[in-house]
Amino acid sequence: QLQLQESGPGLVKPSETLSLTCSVSGGSISTNGHYWAWIRQPPGKGLEWIGTIYYDGSTFYGPSLKNRVTISVDTSKSQFSLRLSSVTAADTAIFYCARHQNQLFDYWGQGTLVTVSS
Amino acid sequence: QSALTQPASVSGSPGQSITISCTGASSDVGSYNFVSWYQQHPGKAPKLMIYEVNKRPSGVSNRFSGSKSGNTASLTISGLQAEDEGDYYCFSYAGSSTWVFGGGTKLTVL
Repeated sequence: QLQLQESGPGLVKPSETLSLTCSVSGGSISTNGHYWAWIRQPPGKGLEWIGTIYYDGSTFYGPSLKNRVTISVDTSKSQFSLRLSSVTAADTAIFYCARHQNQLFDYWGQGTLVTVSS
Repeated sequence: QSALTQPASVSGSPGQSITISCTGASSDVGSYNFVSWYQQHPGKAPKLMIYEVNKRPSGVSNRFSGSKSGNTASLTISGLQAEDEGDYYCFSYAGSSTWVFGGGTKLTVL
């Protein structure tokens, strides 16, 4: 059974860079056709697709955050990562990683809350 | 790229049917049959309920169905049960390797 687990600091200061990692287990991160995504959800609000990466490093970003986001993959560690720069309180959210295949998300991590505050 | 439009809330009594709409544009919902629906219970990760407009993943009840007409996709839940209460989100391919969620709908089972 594929499992995804987010990890990273739960508190980030304004103007700094948020960094999270998603560890994939129970399956290969390098499987053809399987992409990997980050999604966020501000407390009490809706879901927002942040971006998606393929194991070869190809990336696709949502328009609202693309100037501040970098998603990378480390196939040797079966992990992919998110970096969001110049954060503000508006970036406080639960961040989910998910498998993005065939235009849908079929496996999700449990989510991790990141609070932006000094 | 704007979020897809969903009603903020819908409600129904046990046994009834409800429909949640998801309105996009000709550039997303209207152009692709890549609409999926997710159910989210409080404190939990979303769960895939419908994909490619009207297909159900293995294990999802056949009380859940999806459809699309023009720029609007819909999720229908028949025989409403208490466990169906939660938030529902639509999601669509929007072209140029971008995707967009709906704003979400809170379903209350009365």
